[in-house]
Amino acid sequence: GNSVTQMEGPVTLSEEAFLTINCTYTATGYPSLFWYVQYPGEGLQLLLKATKADDKGSNKGFEATYRKETTSFHLEKGSVQVSDSAVYFCALILGGSYIPTFGRGTSLIVHP
Amino acid sequence: DAGITQSPRHKVTETGTPVTLRCHQTENHRYMYWYRQDPGHGLRLIHYSYGVKDTDKGEVSDGYSVSRSKTEDFLLTLESATSSQTSVYFCATRDREEVGNQPQHFGDGTRLSIL
Repeated sequence: GNSVTQMEGPVTLSEEAFLTINCTYTATGYPSLFWYVQYPGEGLQLLLKATKADDKGSNKGFEATYRKETTSFHLEKGSVQVSDSAVYFCALILGGSYIPTFGRGTSLIVHP
Repeated sequence: DAGITQSPRHKVTETGTPVTLRCHQTENHRYMYWYRQDPGHGLRLIHYSYGVKDTDKGEVSDGYSVSRSKTEDFLLTLESATSSQTSVYFCATRDREEVGNQPQHFGDGTRLSIL
């Protein structure tokens, strides 16, 4: 079956530090890949996506590259802010499927 | 996001009572989903719908039922609530596949406590 593995959290950083949250996947075909962000008390919202190998998704200073050879989609940001504190979810969906597969989520805490 | 409204936003009820949660969307999305979110478990799919009157079970469907009589509404019912169903429930929608590999759009959740 399909699966998504994210690094365990929480990830704790100081403001302006570099962020990497690892995401690797297994899939029976060629999925589309997503990062969602969940702020406290809210639902998940799409942060970025990539639909084929070597695509780079980017939004709000975050970026992730679809790496087919390493089955990875790591999330990066060059300089985090306190307002980036949230839970981040990596997810995949195969073409023609109704059901996405989510990772467990990684909590990010950014201190001033 | 995508005009998704969940109601109620908070509910406290007693074991053994029936509970219905409502998800309403204004985007005419084909697919709708109910998830629960619990510490240590991430998001778990309860039920989903791929069209009006077309629903199917997810990984944690026991004790839950759903109905979708209109495109815009997806109801989740706990026939006889148990304390293990205390959770935060999220509704999500997704556009039809013909427009590409679409992401999901989530409501803001319903926090349900069963005493």
